[in-house]
Parts: sequence; structure tokens; C-alpha cells
Amino acid sequence: DVKVTQSSRYLVKRTGEKVFLECVQDMDHENMFWYRQDPGLGLRLIYFSYDVKMKEKGDIPEGYSVSREKKERFSLILESASTNQTSMYLCASTDGAHQPQHFGDGTRLSIL
Amino acid sequence: KQEVTQIPAALSVPEGENLVLNCSFTDSAIYNLQWFRQDPGKGLTSLLLIQSSQREQTSGRLNASLDKSSGRSTLYIAASQPGDSATYLCAVVGSSNTGKLIFGQGTTLQVKP
Repeated sequence: DVKVTQSSRYLVKRTGEKVFLECVQDMDHENMFWYRQDPGLGLRLIYFSYDVKMKEKGDIPEGYSVSREKKERFSLILESASTNQTSMYLCASTDGAHQPQHFGDGTRLSIL
Repeated sequence: KQEVTQIPAALSVPEGENLVLNCSFTDSAIYNLQWFRQDPGKGLTSLLLIQSSQREQTSGRLNASLDKSSGRSTLYIAASQPGDSATYLCAVVGSSNTGKLIFGQGTTLQVKP
């Protein structure tokens, strides 16, 4: 079974802090994704990566950056956290457009 | 721009009933459609994936159909159980080959004992 592991289930940070959310997959997948999920807005794509060191912006990249130094690890970075970034963050991976996406358990991030 | 809609937003049924969840999408140029389940406070669990060339997929009590030309998919759940209570999301991969998913808002299902 595919395993996508997000480093934290719950995280509380303060405004202005630099925040790192980590995601690791164990199936050698090429593509990895970061989404955020908010009530009434559903899941929205922040960034994705289709290879090591390759990344593309999703629908809502403002205030975020990403890092993919190794194939199995995809990090989401909040450069200067703000309260409107309080959300559920979900990481996913897949081996290509025709394959299913597998999700981690999510990180519920609160910015105070 | 692709948009995915799920109706109804919420559904409550008695245990044992067969039910259908609906998903529609505006652009028929899709790679595939995937159905997920999400329990409260948890991540998404993949249920079924239907490729654009397929009409349906089955897994246990679940059957998903796809009519690409009309932009519709249904998830059929047979003999519902209280453990089926969750939010069900459908998502499509559009014409890009990156695997980017576009999600509907979900249907929250409650199965009453």
C-alpha cells in the first residue's frame, strides 16, 4: 500500500513565523501535490511538483513556497505566516495523470 | 475553466438503503475521475478511479459510473451501513498530464442505524 506521511497532525504557530510542513511518500512517485481545504471552498491546489527540483504553481500559491530536494519528500513553506493561512493542509502523490492520487492524513494548522 | 459540482451537499438515509451520489463536470476533456472518502478531521481515502475510456468501476458495495459526454459520474453504494457515514468527494484530472485534481465540494452522507 502507498504511504503518504505528513510530519504533523496539528500545528500552532504565530503570525510572522516561517512554517515548514513536511510530506514523505514511500512509492517512488513522480508527482506530489499540496492542497489546502477550507469550509465552503473545498480543496484547492497550492503547488505541485512533477520531478525533483521541479515545481509549478497551483491555483493559490501566494504566500507559499515549496521545496523538493529528494523524490520522496515535498515540503510546503509559509514564508511569513498569516491568520488567513489557518487551514487543513493535505499532501498527495501519484505516479502520473492516469494513476490514483494518494493522500496523507493532513495537517491542521492554526496561525494565532 | 473546469468546474466540478456535487449534489446533494448532504444526505441522510436509513441503514440498508441503496443510494446514489452525483457528480458533474463542465469540461468533458478529462483524463480520469476519482472518488474519495473523507472522515471528519482526516485525509482522503481513494475509493475508485475511472479512466476516461471506461464506463464504470466496482469495488465491493461501491460502483462508480462515468458518462464523459454528458459530464456526469455517479457513485452507487449498495446496502448502506453506519460505517459508510463520511464525506464523499469526486475529482477530475483535466487535459493537463500533471495529474492535477479539480475537486467538487463533496456530499456528506449520514447512514442512520
